[in-house]
Formats: sequence, C-alpha cells, structure tokens
Amino acid sequence: KNEVEQSPQNLTAQEGEFITINCSYSVGISALHWLQQHPGGGIVSLFMLSSGKKKHGRLIATINIQEKHSSLHITASHPRDSAVYICAVPNTGNQFYFGTGTSLTVIP
Amino acid sequence: NAGVTQTPKFQVLKTGQSMTLQCAQDMNHEYMSWYRQDPGMGLRLIHYSVGAGITDQGEVPNGYNVSRSTTEDFPLRLLSAAPSQTSVYFCASSASGTNRAFFGQGTRLTVV
Repeated sequence: KNEVEQSPQNLTAQEGEFITINCSYSVGISALHWLQQHPGGGIVSLFMLSSGKKKHGRLIATINIQEKHSSLHITASHPRDSAVYICAVPNTGNQFYFGTGTSLTVIP
Repeated sequence: NAGVTQTPKFQVLKTGQSMTLQCAQDMNHEYMSWYRQDPGMGLRLIHYSVGAGITDQGEVPNGYNVSRSTTEDFPLRLLSAAPSQTSVYFCASSASGTNRAFFGQGTRLTVV
C-alpha cells in the first residue's frame, strides 16, 4: 500500500536549473509536509501546507487538495540543495504516511 | 532549545544483543514516535505515544519495545537484535493539533 507516492525517485540537475518534485496522496489530510534530509543528517521540516502555495527563499511548495497532489519547486538550484526530499501526510494521532523520498543531486 | 535529541548516533550490535535507543524532547510535546528508514521504503512507524503512560504499535513493531514514563523521554528497546533491524532510526515529536513534527538526528544501527 502506498498512501503517498513521490516522483521522481532520483533527480540530477545542473546548477541553476529549475527543479520540480511531485507528491500524490490517497488519504484525506489536514496538512501536507515537505521534509529535507541531508546526507548523513537529520530531517528538517521545510513546509507544512494545507492549501495554495508557500514560498521560502528559492523553495516553493504548492498543493491542490481536490487533485490530492503537491509539488516542491526549487528555483536556481545550487549544489547545497542536494538532499533527499520527503513528502509526508499526517493521519489520525499525529502520525505520518511518508513518501519514499526523492534523491536530488545538483551538479556545479 | 535542543528540540529532539537522539542517542547514540551510530551503533553496531551483534545478533542477539540488546540495546536502548534514547529519545528526549524539551518542547513538552504530547506525541512522540519512532520510525525506521530503509532504502526504497521510506520511513515506517514502529511505535508511538500520545502521552505519558500511553504507547501503541505502528506498522512494524515486532522486535521493539517502548515505554513513556515521562513526557520528555521515549526510549526504544531492541530486546534481541537481528540483522533485519539494521536501519536508520528516527524519533519524532509533535504537539497535539499542530501536525508539525520535529525529528531527531537519527541513529544508524548495524546488526552483524
């Protein structure tokens, strides 16, 4: 069972490229999370959104509740953006369904 | 403000050994949970707690025990380690009604 599907699984981009990572989910939600995990590092929350769009620096997250789809965009990508990006959807009890992650490598 | 603190960061165990992964949070969060992360499978819920004295099983609880004697601490115990438990373990906490989770730095466990 895959309540949360992410694509692509792996992504390599040249520095400066515009990047899009997609997340589709099948469960009803109150908010969707985008998380970032650096190699060997912990997990940090980038966005929590329940509608529309949020922007933080070069990162933009959008969500379409009707279509059960969210996207994470990175503008002017940089090698320091290289990480695994994870989409997470909360269920009841404050637990989460997680996507398998998108491994992004940005080449200088 | 430390957030969620996990120890140790790395651990190697022999098959059959026992150990406890520690998790502590200083945000007074009611919810705490343990996940394991394996290649190609994403994060999977092992056990969770909705408050002190209350724990419940997640998706993959076998081989693990938890307890929640205080709001701050949520240790994960491996009673008899098996190679299948080789994984990266994450502890997370969140406040009731917020849906925002804070994660520890992870524990990379290898069972040989």
